Amino acid sequence: NAGVTQTPKFQVLKTGQSMTLQCAQDMNHEYMSWYRQDPGMGLRLIHYSVGAGITDQGEVPNGYNVSRSTTEDFPLRLLSAAPSQTSVYFCASRTSAGPYEQYFGPGTRLTVT
Amino acid sequence: QKEVEQDPGPLSVPEGAIVSLNCTYSNSAFQYFMWYRQYSRKGPELLMYTYSSGNKEDGRFTAQVDKSSKYISLFIRDSQPSDSATYLCAMSTNTGNQFYFGTGTSLTVIP
Repeated sequence: NAGVTQTPKFQVLKTGQSMTLQCAQDMNHEYMSWYRQDPGMGLRLIHYSVGAGITDQGEVPNGYNVSRSTTEDFPLRLLSAAPSQTSVYFCASRTSAGPYEQYFGPGTRLTVT
Repeated sequence: QKEVEQDPGPLSVPEGAIVSLNCTYSNSAFQYFMWYRQYSRKGPELLMYTYSSGNKEDGRFTAQVDKSSKYISLFIRDSQPSDSATYLCAMSTNTGNQFYFGTGTSLTVIP
């Protein structure tokens, strides 16, 4: 049982480039989400999904796209990277009913130059 | 005003001390309250959760929620060097669709 996995672990992009951060979970959780973590800002929700085919915006969605075609996978796409998107990105999944135990992946460290 | 406020510290205590970590919040609709521990360069891991008000104990850890004051606490008894990490509080409404995190408190336990 691998839990939540993320790839890549590290990435450096130039301004304007696009990329996809991959996230997968093997716990059969319907709910998955993406956060970014910045110094002094804590974890902020980017997008979340309550099941395959259903996504919604979180607190800081601008500049990011998501889709959910399977229960297991929830990729995050940066369409045109900006230096303000330099951050550590965490994917998470949680149980469907309360108490909503949320499990995080190991993170992707992204630098945009 | 941020949804969740947490003193960033840093907090430094000797081994064996009792540690108190706190968060305040503004949204009275929050019903689920969680504490996560995050080691350097790792993902957060769930420590404890509480639903609505009250206390919950798990080994050396005790979580308290005071909804009337919009204040939650995590107590660590007999702190160990292995407890050195950043502790994040998090909260959610009944839907559990959006979690709001504090900025984290950095704790160092000195042997």
